[in-house]
Amino acid sequence: GAGVSQSPRYKVAKRGQDVALRCDPISGHVSLFWYQQALGQGPEFLTYFQNEAQLDKSGLPSDRFFAERPEGSVSTLKIQRTQQEDSAVYLCASSLGLGRNYGYTFGSGTRLTVV
Amino acid sequence: QQQVKQSPQSLIVQKGGISIINCAYENTAFDYFPWYQQFPGKGPALLIAIRPDVSEKKEGRFTISFNKSAKQFSLHIMDSQPGDSATYFCAASRGGGNKLTFGTGTQLKVEL
Repeated sequence: GAGVSQSPRYKVAKRGQDVALRCDPISGHVSLFWYQQALGQGPEFLTYFQNEAQLDKSGLPSDRFFAERPEGSVSTLKIQRTQQEDSAVYLCASSLGLGRNYGYTFGSGTRLTVV
Repeated sequence: QQQVKQSPQSLIVQKGGISIINCAYENTAFDYFPWYQQFPGKGPALLIAIRPDVSEKKEGRFTISFNKSAKQFSLHIMDSQPGDSATYFCAASRGGGNKLTFGTGTQLKVEL
């Protein structure tokens, strides 16, 4: 597609509910990143993939967070037993490769509100 | 630990003026310093980026100044326009730009 597509755009979850957030990267982009952006803050790294391999998941805040990219294209970020502190915008980005010669393209994000 | 500190938090500039946003970093291993622009409801978009072997980079109205010894870098927006009103983030990464560490953002408003 023309850009990085994320769905849903908005998600309201009751505390304790599981959620799944989807990211469709730009076609052909091998690298995919997830970031969490709290209100009024800069994005914070969660995890990234090169093709289907998850190369770094050091930013995932707890074992309730899980990301996958089974076929090296679409990725899903799953949050189990959501808590109020999980409320944030979840941003996905993709790039042609790894390294500073390859800029990120971000999606518009999924705004998660846990009530 | 906040590895990239950004200031000011908000900024109001008159149309045609110069907007200046500053960032300081702690990790000397950082080797890539991009700036991102974010409009409400959108993801950040790359504006301009610099490597530490260069002291200044200019692209159109946007200039990054980089001071390696002080571990500081700044974004200058010349001839600021109302359409520049957005939130700006500095960021840094090491080892090729894979994992970005962002600053806390500067909300810029350009008034007529």
